Amino acid sequence: DTAVSQTPKYLVTQMGNDKSIKCEQNLGHDTMYWYKQDSKKFLKIMFSYNNKELIINETVPNRFSPKSPDKAHLNLHINSLELGDSAVYFCASSPGQGAREQYFGPGTRLTVT
Amino acid sequence: AQSVAQPEDQVNVAEGNPLTVKCTYSVSGNPYLFWYVQYPNRGLQFLLKYITGDNLVKGSYGFEAEFNKSQTSFHLKKPSALVSDSALYFCAVSHTGFQKLVFGTGTRLLVSP
Repeated sequence: DTAVSQTPKYLVTQMGNDKSIKCEQNLGHDTMYWYKQDSKKFLKIMFSYNNKELIINETVPNRFSPKSPDKAHLNLHINSLELGDSAVYFCASSPGQGAREQYFGPGTRLTVT
Repeated sequence: AQSVAQPEDQVNVAEGNPLTVKCTYSVSGNPYLFWYVQYPNRGLQFLLKYITGDNLVKGSYGFEAEFNKSQTSFHLKKPSALVSDSALYFCAVSHTGFQKLVFGTGTRLLVSP
């Protein structure tokens, strides 16, 4: 069974469109994250939720909005997509915060044309 | 603010030889240190972590890391490299009361046959 899954795996869309990426974890973890990995492989956290509550909100444009309907899901909605949004987006989960290892999904490669 | 430096973009080593991937950190308080590995087109996988205790930490796939507080380093090591170890390695740091991981820029390990 896949521990952290993301859909879709690939997403190609045009500038100005709105898109969503879904993430689900079946590990029973309390905390979930969204990361962005750019073309140089630099990895930066965007958001973190603990028990459905937002606890980390990095300097991310308002066009990005996370939603956590329950502890097992954390979705990412992006409005008015821009070329610079092209990246690989990773979802992750952990059984807590701080000292706990994170389990990553396979990533969603977003290409904005 | 906490930060992680991985001074080498790439490390080349011959199969069977020992390998070291370097990481230094800066954090206020006691650090929590992690190593992750990313294979092509995959999410990150947890290798090992240091929270407290023994400075030599053993992890998955025969990897180990040594915490050195005076040098603020947490280098990843393996006694005998395998071609299958070729991947991108990330060091990350957190600390007590801090909720997010900060990742280094990654080091590409290339093990030649």
